[in-house]
Amino acid sequence: AQSVTQLGSHVSVSEGALVLLRCNYSSSVPPYLFWYVQYPNQGLQLLLKYTSAATLVKGINGFEAEFKKSETSFHLTKPSAHMSDAAEYFCAVSALGTASKLTFGTGTRLQVTL
Amino acid sequence: ETGVTQSPTHLIKTRGQQVTLRCSSQSGHNTVSWYQQALGQGPQFIFQYYREEENGRGNFPPRFSGLQFPNYSSELNVNALELDDSALYLCASSRDTGELFFGEGSRLTVL
Repeated sequence: AQSVTQLGSHVSVSEGALVLLRCNYSSSVPPYLFWYVQYPNQGLQLLLKYTSAATLVKGINGFEAEFKKSETSFHLTKPSAHMSDAAEYFCAVSALGTASKLTFGTGTRLQVTL
Repeated sequence: ETGVTQSPTHLIKTRGQQVTLRCSSQSGHNTVSWYQQALGQGPQFIFQYYREEENGRGNFPPRFSGLQFPNYSSELNVNALELDDSALYLCASSRDTGELFFGEGSRLTVL
């Protein structure tokens, strides 16, 4: 069984500040890990994914995440927030070898203020 | 723009009714997955269809059923609707078990 826990349902940062969204996972098998973004009234868009290659993963829109097995974490970061980053962010896990049957976290809403 | 289209975008039903949601997958994709996203929650896996066969199911009752057609488009059917079925239903297509590409969803309200 697999699960993810996203710490903080709401995160607020100032424009230009560091974005840090937290995700911890639990998996009985080596996992694939994902971050998705959802803008209002839209579907999900893949930001980045970890599939057992490099532990530091770079994604779209300047986001990156680091897989830390010892901490069972996959936190999402961006050095400088932009107003357009305001959205809901979901961490997800799947079993090694499949990227299509995902278990999602409950999401973190990112607010970016001036 | 993912190339995955869902219809209808919004619909309202009453308890006990039945609903059919439709999804056209991205060109070249042979797998369709359906997710339910309740308000304020993350998406939950309903089931997946691969080459017209069900290929995995989440913790949803049998009144949730689906189909995949030879052109890889798909339908999600829900019978005997309950209030808790109100949610955004997301369809995603992929090539085999690869990366998911999501549609914008069908928002179902059950009164």
